[in-house]
Amino acid sequence: AQSVSQHNHHVILSEAASLELGCNYSYGGTVNLFWYVQYPGQHLQLLLKYFSGDPLVKGIKGFEAEFIKSKFSFNLRKPSVQWSDTAEYFCAVITTSGTYKYIFGTGTRLKVLA
Amino acid sequence: GAGVSQSPSNKVTEKGKDVELRCDPISGHTALYWYRQSLGQGLEFLIYFQGNSAPDKSGLPSDRFSAERTGGSVSTLTIQRTQQEDSAVYLCASSETGPLYGYTFGSGTRLTVV
Repeated sequence: AQSVSQHNHHVILSEAASLELGCNYSYGGTVNLFWYVQYPGQHLQLLLKYFSGDPLVKGIKGFEAEFIKSKFSFNLRKPSVQWSDTAEYFCAVITTSGTYKYIFGTGTRLKVLA
Repeated sequence: GAGVSQSPSNKVTEKGKDVELRCDPISGHTALYWYRQSLGQGLEFLIYFQGNSAPDKSGLPSDRFSAERTGGSVSTLTIQRTQQEDSAVYLCASSETGPLYGYTFGSGTRLTVV
């Protein structure tokens, strides 16, 4: 069965530190990939997405993610985090054929210390 | 409307009672999804509507759960004979075309079964 793994459940960083959140998926076919963010008390928002083309995609607020097909990974990065990046981050994958299964990871809680 | 609207925002119910959760998607969005977010469990897919039909309801956890969508717009998720394990945040999301391109989420309904 398809699955999405986010290996880091809780991450604590100081401001200006670099961030990388891991996301791996298991599915042999073509996928679209997403990162969503949920700030405290707010609803889920789309951070960035990858459909095709350049595997390095840039999203809002300085985030980027790189799709590495051979590793089935779509890691989220930010060179320098801010206190306002404190949130929960969800990786999601949708298979682009068949029944379009849309699968979310379990999320990573990021806390940035001021 | 401007965003996905869900009501009520909070619901406390006694075990064994039925509850109805409502979702108003963004106007014109044909695809609508229900997810459940439990502490430490990530997002669990429940059901997907395209128009008024549900091509994928594989995520409904039991026959106590049902959902409908009328007029290609408002959707209602009904949970009968609620159990304590049904306590979670129920999220609705909509998409303009279909599942491939990302969703806009509502703020959710926090259901507590006591």
